[in-house]
Amino acid sequence: DAMVIQNPRYQVTQFGKPVTLSCSQTLNHNVMYWYQQKSSQAPKLLFHYYDKDFNNEADTPDNFQSRRPNTSFCFLDIRSPGLGDAAMYLCATSRPTQTQYFGPGTRLLVL
Amino acid sequence: DQQVKQNSPSLSVQEGRISILNCDYTNSMFDYFLWYKKYPAEGPTFLISISSIKDKNEDGRFTVFLNKSAKHLSLHIVPSQPGDSAVYFCAATGVEYGNKLVFGAGTILRVKS
Repeated sequence: DAMVIQNPRYQVTQFGKPVTLSCSQTLNHNVMYWYQQKSSQAPKLLFHYYDKDFNNEADTPDNFQSRRPNTSFCFLDIRSPGLGDAAMYLCATSRPTQTQYFGPGTRLLVL
Repeated sequence: DQQVKQNSPSLSVQEGRISILNCDYTNSMFDYFLWYKKYPAEGPTFLISISSIKDKNEDGRFTVFLNKSAKHLSLHIVPSQPGDSAVYFCAATGVEYGNKLVFGAGTILRVKS
């Protein structure tokens, strides 16, 4: 089945230790998104790729970076995680202007 | 500033009755609205959408109503089933937003059998 896969599902890291979250898709969608969702809050868009074009949201901290080496994969790098970065990280994909399909998310815990 | 608001954090409904989930928005540039459903430990899944040129869209047990003058939309589930118990997110977008989604904080629906 075509799908959006996120690995790992749960990630524990130490304060200040870089961490990378992974997203892959078999839908062959042009657009890939990364959202951050904290408890009882709305998912917040961090950035998205339209093909290889990177689009950062204005209020996304510099601590968050992303890479998209090919159509199928997209990575979220958190350079120096703080306690406030503990959240669910959701990856989504879509064709341009079409419905977004979400992966199951990676829950990040920062100790 | 929250542009999409779901003012009810939770809703409890008896099986077989109607569930009504509400959503308000502030930005008149939004022209397309979506509802997503999220089960625990899963990502949000698309449920139903509506364009601003319509005031109603129906898909089986799910109907979304849009009141543009009030900047309000609602999702009706009839009849509600226990399997509908989930978190429901309202989202809005528009051409001016490059079709990026702006989400509400979600409403937890519990359908009691």
